[in-house]
Amino acid sequence: DAKTTQPPSMDCAEGRAANLPCNHSTISGNEYVYWYRQIHSQGPQYIIHGLKNNETNEMASLIITEDRKSSTLILPHATLRDTAVYYCIAGRNTNAGKSTFGDGTTLTVKP
Amino acid sequence: ETGVTQTPRHLVMGMTNKKSLKCEQHLGHNAMYWYKQSAKKPLELMFVYNFKEQTENNSVPSRFSPECPNSSHLFLHLHTLQPEDSALYLCASSQGTGAYEQYFGPGTRLTVT
Repeated sequence: DAKTTQPPSMDCAEGRAANLPCNHSTISGNEYVYWYRQIHSQGPQYIIHGLKNNETNEMASLIITEDRKSSTLILPHATLRDTAVYYCIAGRNTNAGKSTFGDGTTLTVKP
Repeated sequence: ETGVTQTPRHLVMGMTNKKSLKCEQHLGHNAMYWYKQSAKKPLELMFVYNFKEQTENNSVPSRFSPECPNSSHLFLHLHTLQPEDSALYLCASSQGTGAYEQYFGPGTRLTVT
């Protein structure tokens, strides 16, 4: 798996867009970018993933730079329930023999 | 039941006890995983099963013994645990091991006394 780097914490005002960055400069051509989030004491929840193109679903949008070395997860209208730890993972095969979830970004949505 | 379920949700056990954690997925997936999450640490991958066969053991101590009788069920048998094994144990499943789109259960909060 490619190493990813995320800021440890971010704040966002309720109702505003939350933009969470992730660097994955060593990503290889066949590795996807995945985003998960974990609300306190619950299991992680899959959000979205992409390879090259930008992706959007009912939860979020994923913007991947053309060189694929970084990406941004966008929550268009953050709510208090979006407060969680967000994990960015770059990989293809789960048989990596090592932890694939790093420290993530703790997003706090404030009223 | 839908998604991935885990029982029990909370477990307190002594160091000499033997207990088992159960995970069941209702998604028709072929791969299942055990993760450990200790306080203020990232998730640690413990075991991976694909089509009931163990494909990954991430240097887990033998006091943790996994069992996968079929693609829908996964167990983690625990014996002679240590207090430092207290953690949230998470089960996940995915369509295959080549895909990261994993679906997680709610976890079992384990306390070893």
